[in-house]
Amino acid sequence: GQNIDQPTEMTATEGAIVQINCTYQTSGFNGLFWYQQHAGEAPTFLSYNVLDGLEEKGRFSSFLSRSKGYSYLLLKELQMKDSASYLCAVRLDSNYQLIWGAGTKLIIKP
Amino acid sequence: NAGVTQTPKFRILKIGQSMTLQCTQDMNHNYMYWYRQDPGMGLKLIYYSVGAGITDKGEVPNGYNVSRSTTEDFPLRLELAAPSQTSVYFCASSSLLANEQFFGPGTRLTVL
Repeated sequence: GQNIDQPTEMTATEGAIVQINCTYQTSGFNGLFWYQQHAGEAPTFLSYNVLDGLEEKGRFSSFLSRSKGYSYLLLKELQMKDSASYLCAVRLDSNYQLIWGAGTKLIIKP
Repeated sequence: NAGVTQTPKFRILKIGQSMTLQCTQDMNHNYMYWYRQDPGMGLKLIYYSVGAGITDKGEVPNGYNVSRSTTEDFPLRLELAAPSQTSVYFCASSSLLANEQFFGPGTRLTVL
């Protein structure tokens, strides 16, 4: 079967750094995605990793280790607007299908 | 560009009723998807389409049907609504070779 694990909820302080982990056990792998979803809204794309290493995009970075089945999303200089759920998804092969984790709800406190 | 649009935003159905959730995209994307999102669960793929006239089942297709007569439109049909279909439904699209999926605002459906 396919399995993606993320922490259910995390709390962090405004201005700080937080790391959201994602581990996966899937029958194939053709890339890992991170999406942000504010409450009551649609998911929006944050990052994509297909090779091992770190991808940086402004305050957000995403890391992938294919051998360990592990990724993390790093958010720096946290702002209140970063309060949202962060969804990890794995693309199984070159086809369409994404397997999604349940998401991590990030709460930012002043 | 409006992106991906969905109607309606909210709907309450009685058990056994039918309805169609509409989805339209104006980005000329070939790939389109229907997901459902239940509390505490990951998005589940219901159906997808790789182009006009071509559709296929995802993880959870039972109780749903789709059609893709044009590149722009990808409606989802519920024939006999059941309480288990209470969920938030998202339509998404992507270009043939792109990595990013663009999501519509969602339809919140309650079946009582």
